Amino acid sequence: GESVGLHLPTLSVQEGDNSIINCAYSNSASDYFIWYKQESGKGPQFIIDIRSNMDKRQGQRVTVLLNKTVKHLSLQIAATQPGDSAVYFCAENAYNQGGKLIFGQGTELSVKP
Amino acid sequence: KAGVTQTPRYLIKTRGQQVTLSCSPISGHRSVSWYQQTPGQGLQFLFEYFSETQRNKGNFPGRFSGRQFSNSRSEMNVSTLELGDSALYLCASSFLSSGEEKLFFGSGTQLSVL
Repeated sequence: GESVGLHLPTLSVQEGDNSIINCAYSNSASDYFIWYKQESGKGPQFIIDIRSNMDKRQGQRVTVLLNKTVKHLSLQIAATQPGDSAVYFCAENAYNQGGKLIFGQGTELSVKP
Repeated sequence: KAGVTQTPRYLIKTRGQQVTLSCSPISGHRSVSWYQQTPGQGLQFLFEYFSETQRNKGNFPGRFSGRQFSNSRSEMNVSTLELGDSALYLCASSFLSSGEEKLFFGSGTQLSVL
């Protein structure tokens, strides 16, 4: 079964607020994690990634935090905009399961104007 | 450069038929992975091809198969279609093997089985 899961299936935020999307993983051997954004009718789009030798990585308006102790990953979106409305997936590299990326179930982010 | 291209975009088939989906990866990418996406199961890994060899396979029945050509283009085939095969089939490519770096996804082929 899936080794990556999301804590919340839906998240609604006000435009301009910060969003935090959480993800739990069970494979302690995973060493690479990715966040994807999927808009309706499109394939997943890469947002940001992080390797297990880091605990934080920042991009443009996004930050990924990795807590290996509790096997938890989060995506923070600053100043959330209507264009951020989408489904967000976390994925882990299950290299001890053949090296494939395993995806979580996804969290739908809805931004209210 | 062009992204991952999947054809066709939409497909309607009936039970028992077979279907072939096509994927052209980003130029220079050697790895192509296929995923099935459904509302209930999310993104499920089907298989990965790297330099024409199947490198990894998910937990799908043998009705699901694929191949990769020397130009890295890939096809997946589903035989004896079932209603439950209705899904969005996504192809993704990367230069290195899946899991070592991020995947770039196409827009998918929406398959409806009636």
